[in-house]
Amino acid sequence: DTGVSQNPRHKITKRGQNVTFRCDPISEHNRLYWYRQTLGQGPEFLTYFQNEAQLEKSRLLSDRFSAERPKGSFSTLEIQRTEQGDSAMYLCASTTTEGGPNNEQFFGPGTRLTVL
Amino acid sequence: SQKIEQNSEALNIQEGKTATLTCNYTNYSPAYLQWYRQDPGRGPVFLLLIRENEKEKRKERLKVTFDTTLKQSLFHITASQPADSATYLCAIHLHAGKSTFGDGTTLTVKP
Repeated sequence: DTGVSQNPRHKITKRGQNVTFRCDPISEHNRLYWYRQTLGQGPEFLTYFQNEAQLEKSRLLSDRFSAERPKGSFSTLEIQRTEQGDSAMYLCASTTTEGGPNNEQFFGPGTRLTVL
Repeated sequence: SQKIEQNSEALNIQEGKTATLTCNYTNYSPAYLQWYRQDPGRGPVFLLLIRENEKEKRKERLKVTFDTTLKQSLFHITASQPADSATYLCAIHLHAGKSTFGDGTTLTVKP
């Protein structure tokens, strides 16, 4: 257990529905990342936050995706009008800019989304 | 275009041998590179980081090298054990914000 939690762990939804995932990072971490991972692929960067500010968003991320981190603590990722191609594992990671030499990212267990 | 390539095939080795995994990149100038381990159904776990001005880094049975001329990092596991079986990911960091991951190499260590 890395200290990063994600909920739900699994989500099955029908095409066209909206879904929202939550990530709770390690409490003192000011930086939070979202990634998407499909089978046989590495994590693909989606977006990241420094405290409550969203500093970068992947060009691959369509307008159906939105992420927030309103108080600089937990974050939510919402997907509107889901499509079958959205089926993937959604990973959250956190780190601190005040940290030691490794700048490692601590990943949560992920939320597996299946769109039927 | 920018690309990260890891061993395209899964790697199968015998227990006790040294596993060597490769990460090649093109059209990047990374500040540092990290290696992560990922088990099925779980998030990646950080193993080692190596900076652009470092040639080699070690941690217990793990060793990472970084050759910015060849644009390549090698990841070695010595005295491999079945418990080392997992997918190993390399990640390139261009700046503090964004990480780009390779697709990983699946290592199987047979007893």
